[in-house]
Amino acid sequence: QKEVEQNSGPLSVPEGAIASLNCTYSDRGSQSFFWYRQYSGKSPELIMSIYSNGDKEDGRFTAQLNKASQYVSLLIRDSQPSDSATYLCAVFGSSNTGKLIFGQGTTLQVKP
Amino acid sequence: NAGVTQTPKFQVLKTGQSMTLQCAQDMNHNSMYWYRQDPGMGLRLIYYSASEGTTDKGEVPNGYNVSRLNKREFSLRLESAAPSQTSVYFCASSEWTAPYEQYFGPGTRLTVT
Repeated sequence: QKEVEQNSGPLSVPEGAIASLNCTYSDRGSQSFFWYRQYSGKSPELIMSIYSNGDKEDGRFTAQLNKASQYVSLLIRDSQPSDSATYLCAVFGSSNTGKLIFGQGTTLQVKP
Repeated sequence: NAGVTQTPKFQVLKTGQSMTLQCAQDMNHNSMYWYRQDPGMGLRLIYYSASEGTTDKGEVPNGYNVSRLNKREFSLRLESAAPSQTSVYFCASSEWTAPYEQYFGPGTRLTVT
């Protein structure tokens, strides 16, 4: 089992819809969770961080964390073509090594 | 603030040649990281430096060496480049304590022929 798993996609949604990106992790002691956006040919950009159970909203983005289910998700409301990118889930585990574990990423396509 | 900078942006090497990738950050972070990204393989950690004066191996260290020159700079060296090292290389930095958010440089695209 991979430490951080994401569906590689592509996930295709129409413009204006809600895009839902999901991530599961194996280390039950994981402390911090991050979503990065990576446009083709560019570097990963941190867009959301979440540390406690529940929802965290920032503009059109909502991160959701459920530690009991070892599940973190990213919702993008009113999706725009400019949201088309690969979204990487990253988890800081309980081993206290300072290292993030990244998922393989989900490619999102927002169609006009 | 420039954040994390990397040089060069692109590089083509012949098998057996050596080169050093440079990384610098101006966020006063203690920790720095080198990753490689290959299609279908995601981001893989090569080496990291938790703080100035320390370095540790990551997931794929073979064929690479690193130097933490000072708090700002962390370099990655390929002593004898191989085609398998063709990849995009990213440097990142973070604090060593919570919230552990890592910030990435723009990357170096390396091709080894």
